[in-house]
Amino acid sequence: QSVLTQPPSVSGAPGQRVTISCTGSSSNIGSIYSVHWYQQLPGTAPKLLISGNSNRPSGIPDRFSASKSGTSASLAITGLQAEDEADYYCQSYDSSLSGLYVFGTGTKVTVL
Amino acid sequence: VHLVESGGGMVQPGRSLRLSCAASGFTFDAYAMHWVRQSPGTGLQWVSGISWDSGTMVYADSVKGRFTISRDNAKNSLYLQVNSLRVEDTALYYCAKSSLATVTTLDWFDSWGQGILVTVSS
Repeated sequence: QSVLTQPPSVSGAPGQRVTISCTGSSSNIGSIYSVHWYQQLPGTAPKLLISGNSNRPSGIPDRFSASKSGTSASLAITGLQAEDEADYYCQSYDSSLSGLYVFGTGTKVTVL
Repeated sequence: VHLVESGGGMVQPGRSLRLSCAASGFTFDAYAMHWVRQSPGTGLQWVSGISWDSGTMVYADSVKGRFTISRDNAKNSLYLQVNSLRVEDTALYYCAKSSLATVTTLDWFDSWGQGILVTVSS
């Protein structure tokens, strides 16, 4: 049902850099709509990580960064830490579908 | 910001529930609010949103005509009336605070409750 596609999983060793892609279309990411990112630690509610394509809310470490280009967006985690092991979701707005606000399929980040 | 959902439970298909979300720690009547759900072991699905003054209410097509969102600013509370429940409505329902006062294309969800489980089963 999700219209934003993410890789099911990515992994990396502590200290490494990992990236998560979020691929959409011309009716969502490829249009004027911003992309936002959320982190969901095991057994907890999602938490806003990045808003407006690349803005970190107060309290979010600068190890997390994001960008948008064309019909895709990406989240990068540098200096990977054990506490970064979680599910990550992108979110945008879609002008053509039944769900106005759309989420990505989610990516599980595993710290090796 | 503190959001606490309640009102979930196990119900049979076709029945109804009223979910509530008690908000505190921010000026409730200055922000739009949303409901987002997550089926067991799966991803997030936006359900419904309401503007600060209840002037705009929007729904995902999958729930339109069955779910009704509302709010009571005097009580700092958000509600979701869920009718004609289906097995596929089984999910953890999150109350989420908008970053804006109105429901717009720019919206994102800057605070979330812990969620309330709704199970639809015969």
